[in-house]
Amino acid sequence: KAGVTQTPRYLIKTRGQQVTLSCSPISGHRSVSWYQQTPGQGLQFLFEYFSETQRNKGNFPGRFSGRQFSNSRSEMNVSTLELGDSALYLCASSSLQGFDNEQYFGPGTRLTVT
Amino acid sequence: TQLLEQSPQFLSIQEGENLTVYCNSSSVFSSLQWYRQEPGEGPVLLVTVVTGGEVKKLKRLTFQFGDARKDSSLHITAAQPGDTGLYLCAGLPAGNMLTFGGGTRLMVKP
Repeated sequence: KAGVTQTPRYLIKTRGQQVTLSCSPISGHRSVSWYQQTPGQGLQFLFEYFSETQRNKGNFPGRFSGRQFSNSRSEMNVSTLELGDSALYLCASSSLQGFDNEQYFGPGTRLTVT
Repeated sequence: TQLLEQSPQFLSIQEGENLTVYCNSSSVFSSLQWYRQEPGEGPVLLVTVVTGGEVKKLKRLTFQFGDARKDSSLHITAAQPGDTGLYLCAGLPAGNMLTFGGGTRLMVKP
């Protein structure tokens, strides 16, 4: 079974621009979560989507948004980029069966904002 | 202050040594997960512990869930360079959002 894929792997943007990141979950997984990872803050939860609906949202400003499509693929968007948005953005999918919300992560998108 | 506190934050040891990483909280968790992340990759799930007092072994790695389900530990026996990476614990408290600890960065030198 193919793992979680994320595109692009690397991205360089300028402050003020917007960016869209894409995530394809493991086949059959309907829950997709997004995380931001930085050296200072660690791994922080952005939001979770299930069946095209946002189920949970972390403590991030409204510039961070996401959506999920009927095939469970998900995108996240960051508008008006700031230097502090430079981070590794990780997508994870879950089957929500068995143990609590075990996450299967993609390799991440490394975003650099200059 | 993080809901899940991991210690130590950094650990550098020689190949063959043993080590223990701790994950502590004042909250009760229905389960705790441990992940390992290597540079340039996403975290990979190692194990989930569910029952208070539970001990799980994965080759040279031993995971324990505290009796009160507020803490967990990861013990590595005879560490190898391939064990190098960032170890993360994660739990699901009330509110249904998986919460990660700050991580322990382990380096095993040959």
